[in-house]
Amino acid sequence: AQTVTQSQPEMSVQEAETVTLSCTYDTSENNYYLFWYKQPPSRQMILVIRQEAYKQQNATENRFSVNFQKAAKSFSLKISDSQLGDTAMYFCAFMKQAFQGAQKLVFGQGTRLTINP
Amino acid sequence: DGGITQSPKYLFRKEGQNVTLSCEQNLNHDAMYWYRQDPGQGLRLIYYSQIVNDFQKGDIAEGYSVSREKKESFPLTVTSAQKNPTAFYLCASSVHRVTEAFFGQGTRLTVV
Repeated sequence: AQTVTQSQPEMSVQEAETVTLSCTYDTSENNYYLFWYKQPPSRQMILVIRQEAYKQQNATENRFSVNFQKAAKSFSLKISDSQLGDTAMYFCAFMKQAFQGAQKLVFGQGTRLTINP
Repeated sequence: DGGITQSPKYLFRKEGQNVTLSCEQNLNHDAMYWYRQDPGQGLRLIYYSQIVNDFQKGDIAEGYSVSREKKESFPLTVTSAQKNPTAFYLCASSVHRVTEAFFGQGTRLTVV
């Protein structure tokens, strides 16, 4: 079974600073996907960024980037130039590659990120 | 607009009563999922369905039941056998061979 661990329950930074959220996972699979989801106070789950395990290049989406270390089973999220709207719960998630059928996500416990003005 | 609709947003029930949470999607997605969210535990998979008239248990299926009679609908029943039903419930859907899952806005169930 796969497990995902987020060791930082809460983090707080000033607006415009850079912040890094940590995530480690455990799996015996070689082909999989990793995700960061954001859950703002509205509680809507929003996909922030996705990484395919077979890709060595780290994924980036505007101010969001990841540091994917496959051998270390580490998948951290870096938010640059943080904004007040980035305040949210952030979940790291794992999904085994499935060529057909359901895409089941395994989530970490979450990190509550607060951006202070 | 395409999306996933969960209703109601807030639900209150007395202990011992069954309650059904609604999840409807108009994205034409094949797979649908139910997750439970508790503070400090992230999201845990209750049930999932890959196609109509088929569903499988997730990690915490005890005390829950589902049906998938239509592609668009995947209701979740929280039965009286569920020991601690108060939680936030999220429904999601996805397309086969596409990795992104789309989530509804959730239902907060409180059992008193």
